[in-house]
Amino acid sequence: GESAWLHLPTLSVQEGDNSIINCAYSNSASDYFIWYKQESGKGPQFIIDIRSNMDKRQGQRVTVLLNKTVKHLSLQIAATQPGDSAVYFCAERTNDYKLSFGAGTTVTVRA
Amino acid sequence: EPEVTQTPSHQVTQMGQEVILRCVPISNHLYFYWYRQILGQKVEFLVSFYNNEISEKSEIFDDQFSVERPDGSNFTLKIRSTKLEDSAMYFCASARTGVGGNTIYFGEGSWLTVV
Repeated sequence: GESAWLHLPTLSVQEGDNSIINCAYSNSASDYFIWYKQESGKGPQFIIDIRSNMDKRQGQRVTVLLNKTVKHLSLQIAATQPGDSAVYFCAERTNDYKLSFGAGTTVTVRA
Repeated sequence: EPEVTQTPSHQVTQMGQEVILRCVPISNHLYFYWYRQILGQKVEFLVSFYNNEISEKSEIFDDQFSVERPDGSNFTLKIRSTKLEDSAMYFCASARTGVGGNTIYFGEGSWLTVV
């Protein structure tokens, strides 16, 4: 099945600060998660992914944390920049052929 | 970096008309997808296509919709007899392997407005 997602719809962050975007999922069988960034009028852009056998994965300026005990997924963005303003979606693998997206968190970076 | 390309970027059509949205997936990819996003809402799965056939489709993807890979490079979504509620951004996506094996790359989208 698919998760029902819980998340905050908006996040305002000061430029230079670290951002933390959270998602809570419900499907305990989910084994693969992805974070996507969507800028206005554009398609979702892959940021980082994580498999359920991991609890942390780092990329360039981003870190994804997975807590399977409480079914919680988060994306941390270090030193947030104006270009990070976008909608961020968490998504889970439903099967080989399908991703299921959460509703998205709009991140606004304040100068 | 290779990318998924979609045409048209924006199409306005009258209710009841047929539209075809076109996509050129990344060249060595084998899995193809259509998703849609109604303004201000989340991205919703429509259909996946692998090995020249539909591998999965959502409840949204009813008889009004069809997909085709007419040649080795294009992947199309046809919407027959469009309705007002079909107005949305339609995203094509592709991946080299199934979900979890490789990244799914999305195109920039085709914005469909039904009037």
